[in-house]
Amino acid sequence: DVKVTQSSRYLVKRTGEKVFLECVQDMDHENMFWYRQDPGLGLRLIYFSYDVKMKEKGDIPEGYSVSREKKERFSLILESASTNQTSMYLCASSLGLRQTYEQYFGPGTRLTVT
Amino acid sequence: AQTVTQSQPEMSVQEAETVTLSCTYDTSESDYYLFWYKQPPSRQMILVIRQEAYKQQNATENRFSVNFQKAAKSFSLKISDSQLGDAAMYFCAYRTRNNDMRFGAGTRLTVKP
Repeated sequence: DVKVTQSSRYLVKRTGEKVFLECVQDMDHENMFWYRQDPGLGLRLIYFSYDVKMKEKGDIPEGYSVSREKKERFSLILESASTNQTSMYLCASSLGLRQTYEQYFGPGTRLTVT
Repeated sequence: AQTVTQSQPEMSVQEAETVTLSCTYDTSESDYYLFWYKQPPSRQMILVIRQEAYKQQNATENRFSVNFQKAAKSFSLKISDSQLGDAAMYFCAYRTRNNDMRFGAGTRLTVKP
């Protein structure tokens, strides 16, 4: 079974702090994704990566950056956390670029910025 | 830009009954994939069913089936013989040519015993 893990289930940070969210997948997937999930808005794509050291902006990249130094690991960075970044963050991975490939999701990190 | 609309924020069904969750989408593409994902409370999101746009036959996975109407850009999910474990948030999603997934806002399904 594909396993996608995220470093924390719950995280509380202060405004202005630098925040790192880590995601690891164990199935050698090429693609990895970061979403944020907000009530009434569904999931919105922040960034995705289709290869090591490659990244593409999603719909809402402002205030975020990402890092993919190894194939299995994809990090989301909040350079200076703000209260409007309080949300559930979901990481996902998929095998390749074919549209048929499903995305496998991690359990999510619920981030609260105070 | 592709958009996905789930018009039912919440739905409720009696155990063993059938429920249909609605989804519409907007696209100018002819070849795409559609998905239904399930997110149980405090648990990971998992794939329920997928549909390839070029296939006319509706996808089926055990108690889950879809009604795919390409011309109407509609992709509804039917859950038959509902079980307590079906209670979850359900997301409809569309996969673009650029390989990113567009999600609807979700429908929260409650199953009453």
